[in-house]
Amino acid sequence: SQKIEQNSEALNIQEGKTATLTCNYTNYSPAYLQWYRQDPGRGPVFLLLIRENEKEKRKERLKVTFDTTLKQSLFHITASQPADSATYLCALGENNNDMRFGAGTRLTVKP
Amino acid sequence: DAGITQSPRHKVTETGTPVTLRCHQTENHRYMYWYRQDPGHGLRLIHYSYGVKDTDKGEVSDGYSVSRSKTEDFLLTLESATSSQTSVYFCAIRGAQGPNTEAFFGQGTRLTVV
Repeated sequence: SQKIEQNSEALNIQEGKTATLTCNYTNYSPAYLQWYRQDPGRGPVFLLLIRENEKEKRKERLKVTFDTTLKQSLFHITASQPADSATYLCALGENNNDMRFGAGTRLTVKP
Repeated sequence: DAGITQSPRHKVTETGTPVTLRCHQTENHRYMYWYRQDPGHGLRLIHYSYGVKDTDKGEVSDGYSVSRSKTEDFLLTLESATSSQTSVYFCAIRGAQGPNTEAFFGQGTRLTVV
């Protein structure tokens, strides 16, 4: 069966450190993978998209990698801040119609 | 913010009653999605639409139906609500520029079936 798994339900780190979140997938051949941020009581907000032929994407303090051999994406937040505390979701699709999400990782950055 | 509105924002209904949730967009986006979000499960796809009157099932479609009679509206109907359908429901929209497009989400509808 198809699965999208995010490495842990919760991750706690100290301010200033790099947070690394993992998204693994099984029985998918995704054309793209996306990362979203969700704050309590709100809908998810798009952060980054990476395509199947791209290895890495960066946006300010965010970096995403995509390894189609390992079937894994890593999401990094460098110089983390308490304001980065949120739930982060990965999403992927095999075509432009479909978009499936992982369960999310709740990140807490402590001052 | 993308023009996407969900209504109602909150609803309490009784088991066995029909319920319709509405998603309205002003972006003229082709794709619209309905998800439910439950603790431990993340966002699960219920149904999606890739055009007017073009819809398809997601991973948790049992007990739900959808309709899209015009571009801007995507309706999710629970024909006979059950307690297992208590959840937060999110609508999302995406454009049609190929697999490069981000999704925009509504603010969610909290549905409680008692």
